[in-house]
This record gives sequence, structure tokens and C-alpha cells, in this order.
Amino acid sequence: AAGVIQSPRHLIKEKRETATLKCYPIPRHDTVYWYQQGPGQDPQFLISFYEKMQSDKGSIPDRFSAQQFSDYHSELNMSSLELGDSALYFCASSLEAGGDNEQFFGPGTRLTVL
Amino acid sequence: AQSVTQPDIHITVSEGASLELRCNYSYGATPYLFWYVQSPGQGLQLLLKYFSGDTLVQGIKGFEAEFKRSQSSFNLRKPSVHWSDAAEYFCAVNRGSTLGRLYFGRGTQLTVWP
Repeated sequence: AAGVIQSPRHLIKEKRETATLKCYPIPRHDTVYWYQQGPGQDPQFLISFYEKMQSDKGSIPDRFSAQQFSDYHSELNMSSLELGDSALYFCASSLEAGGDNEQFFGPGTRLTVL
Repeated sequence: AQSVTQPDIHITVSEGASLELRCNYSYGATPYLFWYVQSPGQGLQLLLKYFSGDTLVQGIKGFEAEFKRSQSSFNLRKPSVHWSDAAEYFCAVNRGSTLGRLYFGRGTQLTVWP
């Protein structure tokens, strides 16, 4: 069965550079969630989209932006990278928004900022 | 503020032994409750979930969890652990709203001795 695809799987950047993380949801899923998991930390919700509109916003820095495109894939854009942005970034998708809809997670993108 | 507590950072059990992973949440109402498992290099996989009804829920891979409202707990159990169960386990909650944001615990790393 098709799963959530994230690219790239690993990314190394220098401080103050920019990064773009991509997420391709399971076909027919219209909701995408982004989470950030720092070293030894629990995953923290960043932002979500439902039908290409932002549906919820968490602790996402102003340096980050995201959007969901017409084909439902999503991109997380990160600018002026800081050392503290080094983390595992998960994308999840679900069929419709709502707490009772199972979120299917991708394998994550590991971002390292040097 | 909502929080999810997994008091055990690391648990080691022998293969064939029983397992219980603890999870407590702090939230006034009864949220939607989830357990996810993460193997190295993999995304988060849903083991089971609780929304309402029977407080003992069955999941995949022989896992079960019991919701106890009086203790604000949702502990994960397995009667006989297999070596392939070694992974990191995350408890997560949703406020039961139309938004799917998940709040995660810090995770419990499970090691299984042969």
C-alpha cells in the first residue's frame, strides 16, 4: 500500500541557509500535518493543512512557512536556519481533518544544521 | 496546557515476558488517545486508538491498552514480548476536536533481550 513519502530523507545545511522539505500524502488524503522532533524530544506539532488551506498552527517559527498544493503535496520552507532547527521533521496525512481520523506518518526528514 | 507523560524513558524486558508502558495525560475532558511505534529509520505506525466506549482496546501486533479515566492513564500492554517489538513507543493525545493536532509524550525506548 502507498505510504507517505518525504524528501529528502537527510539534509545538511549551514546556518542562515534555507531548506525545503517535501511531503507527498497517501493518495486521496486531503490533510497534511507537520511535526518537528528535536534530539531526545517528543514530536511537536508545527502546522496542518486541509484541502489546501491552513487548518491549524502550532509552534512554528516565523522563519518557517508551508503550503499545500493542488495535488495535495506539501512543502515546508525554512529560512535563516539555526543550529536549533536540527531535528527530524515528520509529515503525516489523513483522510479529512479531525482528531478521530488516523494520521499516517512518513519516515521523516532528518535536518542537520552546521 | 495539555501534556502527555511517559515516565519510563527506557525499558528492558526479556523475550516472552509481559510488557506495560505507561502514559498519563493532563486534560480536563477525555481526549482521543493513541499509541504509536517507531522503528529505526521508520515513520510512526499506529498501534491502537481510543475514542470512546469499551475502555480496553485491542491493536495490531498483539498490543492492547486500557483507558482509566480516574487515573488519566492509557497504558499499553502486551502479554508476551517478541524480539521484533524492540522500538520506541509514543503515546499521543488529541483534544477530540475537529483539528487533528496530536500531542506526544517523550517516548519509551523498548529493548528486548533474547
